[in-house]
Amino acid sequence: AQSVTQLDSQVPVFEEAPVELRCNYSSSVSVYLFWYVQYPNQGLQLLLKYLSGSTLVKGINGFEAEFNKSQTSFHLRKPSVHISDTAEYFCAVSARGQYNQGGKLIFGQGTELSVKP
Amino acid sequence: AAGVIQSPRHLIKEKRETATLKCYPIPRHDTVYWYQQGPGQDPQFLISFYEKMQSDKGSIPDRFSAQQFSDYHSELNMSSLELGDSALYFCASSLTSAEQYFGPGTRLTVT
Repeated sequence: AQSVTQLDSQVPVFEEAPVELRCNYSSSVSVYLFWYVQYPNQGLQLLLKYLSGSTLVKGINGFEAEFNKSQTSFHLRKPSVHISDTAEYFCAVSARGQYNQGGKLIFGQGTELSVKP
Repeated sequence: AAGVIQSPRHLIKEKRETATLKCYPIPRHDTVYWYQQGPGQDPQFLISFYEKMQSDKGSIPDRFSAQQFSDYHSELNMSSLELGDSALYFCASSLTSAEQYFGPGTRLTVT
């Protein structure tokens, strides 16, 4: 079974400052890793994903994340945040199947990013 | 590009009533997932279908059932509704790959 822990429930930050949202996972099998963003009263939008290859992945809106297998982490970073980045961010994991297919997503508890002017 | 369609977007039901949520996956996608997100919580996996067969099951109450039809659309049927069923219900689809594409969700309110 897989589990995901997002280490910060709330992260307040000033506009144009850098931010890191932390995510650790646990799994006995190989996994795929994802970050999703959810704006108030809206659906889930994929920010970025790690499937294989380079451990540094870049996503939309200037976000990037680094997969660290030894530390079982997948932290999300942005060098300079905007007011519009204020949202809930979810880290998620799925097990890698026998034929490299994905499966159900297990989500972390979410991190509320609040960007202040 | 076509996205995942869910209907209705909002639904209000009374306790003990029945609700049916529909999901239309992206064309040619063969897998559908259902998730439930309670207020202030993370999404929880309910059930999934691959090629019209149930492929995985999560924490789905016995009062709920789901199926995927020949045209690949899926329906989540919820009976004897309880106040605690009030949540945002997401459908996601994928094409035998790791990436899931989410629909906008159906917000169910049980009064």
